[in-house]
Amino acid sequence: AQKITQTQPGMFVQEKEAVTLDCTYDTSDPSYGLFWYKQPSSGEMIFLIYQGSYDQQNATEGRYSLNFQKARKSANLVISASQLGDSAMYFCAMREDEDNSNSGYALNFGKGTSLLVTP
Amino acid sequence: ETGVTQTPRHLVMGMTNKKSLKCEQHLGHNAMYWYKQSAKKPLELMFVYSLEERVENNSVPSRFSPECPNSSHLFLHLHTLQPEDSALYLCASSQDREMEPNYGYTFGSGTRLTVV
Repeated sequence: AQKITQTQPGMFVQEKEAVTLDCTYDTSDPSYGLFWYKQPSSGEMIFLIYQGSYDQQNATEGRYSLNFQKARKSANLVISASQLGDSAMYFCAMREDEDNSNSGYALNFGKGTSLLVTP
Repeated sequence: ETGVTQTPRHLVMGMTNKKSLKCEQHLGHNAMYWYKQSAKKPLELMFVYSLEERVENNSVPSRFSPECPNSSHLFLHLHTLQPEDSALYLCASSQDREMEPNYGYTFGSGTRLTVV
């Protein structure tokens, strides 16, 4: 079963506007971490932001913030004041921290959302 | 240039060829990974090495053979591949999650592999 679901294959946003990229996840593990990555056309995956399952506050990193709704199992990425350079693929990922498993080293990724920022 | 370097950036190989992908990290991390990224599919974890020992192998065909000679280097040896193996192969590294639980995994730029 898919552990990370990103329902928006593609999104458009106008420069300087804010945009929300959706991510829902599925886990029974009480301890987990959620990540967002950006992948420009060059191929490199760039780490943007992290949210731990026990974190009380929503994570923020500059123009990026994570809207973490634990009960709904959602971890949406909000990009404020979009810039043309934000055009890229965006991936949501989850790490599950089961103590009796090595899966703590692994990330499960969603299919990604393609974001296009227009002038 | 990132802390994780992959070579080559592009590779075209025939189904009977043998080639190797190389990954090198200069971040002092102790875990390294191979991921496969195919079009319209989520990234697939192939192999995980922690402290130079393989800790996870997600049922990858034997035509893919990883090697981790030390904590800074990771290889993926390829032989008798199929056209469906054409994809972007991404290497990543991380620190132990118990030491750095919120550390974003660092990826290389990938090797774009085409099997003809």
